[in-house]
This record gives sequence, structure tokens and C-alpha cells, in this order.
Amino acid sequence: EVQLVESGGELVKPGGSLRLSCAASRFTVSNAWMSWVRQAPGKGLEWVGRIKSEVDGGTAEYAAPVRGRFTISRDNSKNTLYLQMNSLITEDTAVYYCATGVSAPECYWGQGTLVTVSS
Amino acid sequence: DIQMTQSPSAMSASVGDRVTITCRASQGISNNLAWFQQKPGKVPKRLIYAASSLQSGVPSRFIGSGSGTEFTLTISSLQPEDFATYYCLQHDLYRWTFGQGTKVDIK
Repeated sequence: EVQLVESGGELVKPGGSLRLSCAASRFTVSNAWMSWVRQAPGKGLEWVGRIKSEVDGGTAEYAAPVRGRFTISRDNSKNTLYLQMNSLITEDTAVYYCATGVSAPECYWGQGTLVTVSS
Repeated sequence: DIQMTQSPSAMSASVGDRVTITCRASQGISNNLAWFQQKPGKVPKRLIYAASSLQSGVPSRFIGSGSGTEFTLTISSLQPEDFATYYCLQHDLYRWTFGQGTKVDIK
């Protein structure tokens, strides 16, 4: 079965940077549209951004609150998706999920990784 | 960016009730809409994709409908395991958006 495993979440100070990883198994990240979704404590789901498959151009789009600060990329050799987060603010505190297949018959989510931005 | 207005934000219902949740898009999104269910502390689970296609393994009491700007998730007969929060997600064009969520709890 397809598995997505996020890692990299930790406590970071405001203004700091962090890179989250989403390692895929039984699935090729370069062939899929991949998304990052976050959920602040006690709040709803928020779409962060997504990257198209390489065959569809591989471009990324971002939600307004993170545009210019966050970057989605992937390493095909490691079959891993990344979320580089810079200039972090307290409002970025959330569980971050990677997901794929939103518009396809099969949809997969990772278990999430917690990012806490606090001084 | 496309805005999704989901209603109601919360509701109380009884087992066996018919429940309807609505999402309205600020502009047409064809059928590029999915519905998710999330229980506390759990990963969201997709119920419906392409507005009306039932995810494999999801009970048939979950029904998605709509196209364009108006979408509905109906639970035809609420079961105890259905008490959860539900979200719509539009994935049209470039930037995607979740609805604000609907918490369904026990009356």
C-alpha cells in the first residue's frame, strides 16, 4: 500500500526556518500532484500549496499566507517531497500533512508532523 | 483566489437523521470538489471526489452532488461513527481552498 511519511517538525523560534520532508513508498512522487495541508491547533484544514507532476510541468502554487515564504520541491532520487519554510511566524504553528490524489480515485495522506513556532 | 463558504459550521443531529452540508464557491469550479471527514486526532479521510464520486470503501449513505458553485454532502441516515467534522476542498485551477468545516455532533 502507498505510504507517505512526514518528518522534520519541531519547535522553532519566530523568524526561523524549517524543512519538512514527506517520504513516499510504493508510489513515485515525480508522477503525482502533491500537496501540503496544515491544521493549526483546534482549527480547520488549510491548504498550503501543491506541486504538479513533472509531466504536467512541475510548477508549484501556494496559499496567500505562505506565498513568498514557503517553497515546495522534491528529490526524485529519494522519492521525497519537501516543504521549505522560511520567516516562520507563530501563526504557522500547525500539524503539516502531505497528500496526493485529491482528484483521483485513490487519495493518500501522511500522518502529519507538528511544527511549533514559539519564542 | 476562490473562496469556499461552507454551512452550517456546526450542527447537532441524531442517529438516523438525514444530514446535509453545503459548500458554495465564489466562482465556478466545475466538479473539482472533494469532501473529507476528520475525527479528533485523526488524519482526514476523503469521502467524495469529483463532487459526486464515492471513495472506494466509503458507505453509500454518503452522497455528494452539485456542480459549478453549489455543492452538497448528504448523509442519508446518520450513524454513530459519522459524528465528526466535514470539510469540502475545491481544487480547480491553481490555488485550492478548504471550506471552514462543519462539526456534526450528537443531539
